Amino acid sequence: AQKITQTQPGMFVQEKEAVTLDCTYDTSDPSYGLFWYKQPSSGEMIFLIYQGSYDQQNATEGRYSLNFQKARKSANLVISASQLGDSAMYFCAMREIQGAQKLVFGQGTRLTINP
Amino acid sequence: DVKVTQSSRYLVKRTGEKVFLECVQDMDHENMFWYRQDPGLGLRLIYFSYDVKMKEKGDIPEGYSVSREKKERFSLILESASTNQTSMYLCASSLHGSGANVLTFGAGSRLTVL
Repeated sequence: AQKITQTQPGMFVQEKEAVTLDCTYDTSDPSYGLFWYKQPSSGEMIFLIYQGSYDQQNATEGRYSLNFQKARKSANLVISASQLGDSAMYFCAMREIQGAQKLVFGQGTRLTINP
Repeated sequence: DVKVTQSSRYLVKRTGEKVFLECVQDMDHENMFWYRQDPGLGLRLIYFSYDVKMKEKGDIPEGYSVSREKKERFSLILESASTNQTSMYLCASSLHGSGANVLTFGAGSRLTVL
């Protein structure tokens, strides 16, 4: 069964620093997709970035990049030049392509950016 | 602006009551999902649906049922609410097919069962 693990319940970072949020996954499906979502205090879930298991390049979206290490089964989110507005919960998620279309989420990491 | 709309943002119910959580999407998405979110546990899938009148159990379906009579609407039903169902409930939808299809979420419904 697919599983996502986020081992950092909380992180504190100074504004303008880069931050890496860890995510490891487990699956027996060779074809899968990895997602990161942001949830600010307002509660909405905001899609940030996607990485396919067969993508050759690491995904990037503005200040967000996904450090995809397939052999280690890790998909860490890197936020460059952090801003106060980056303070939020961050969730890593995975979808296996072969099976159901469901998305399985990790436990989340609460990121706090200090001024 | 395309949306997933959850009918109630906050609900307070009593143990044993029947509870309906409604979700409507205007994106013509085939897939719809209900998750519950609890601190330290992340989001856990309750039920999902690929099509009208179709449903699949997720990881924690016990104590819940769902209804999808129309493509745009997916309802979560708590037949007899219990205090351990106090939680944030999130509805989401997506297109069917590609693994890259992004889930679009509603704003959430925070349910308190007394």
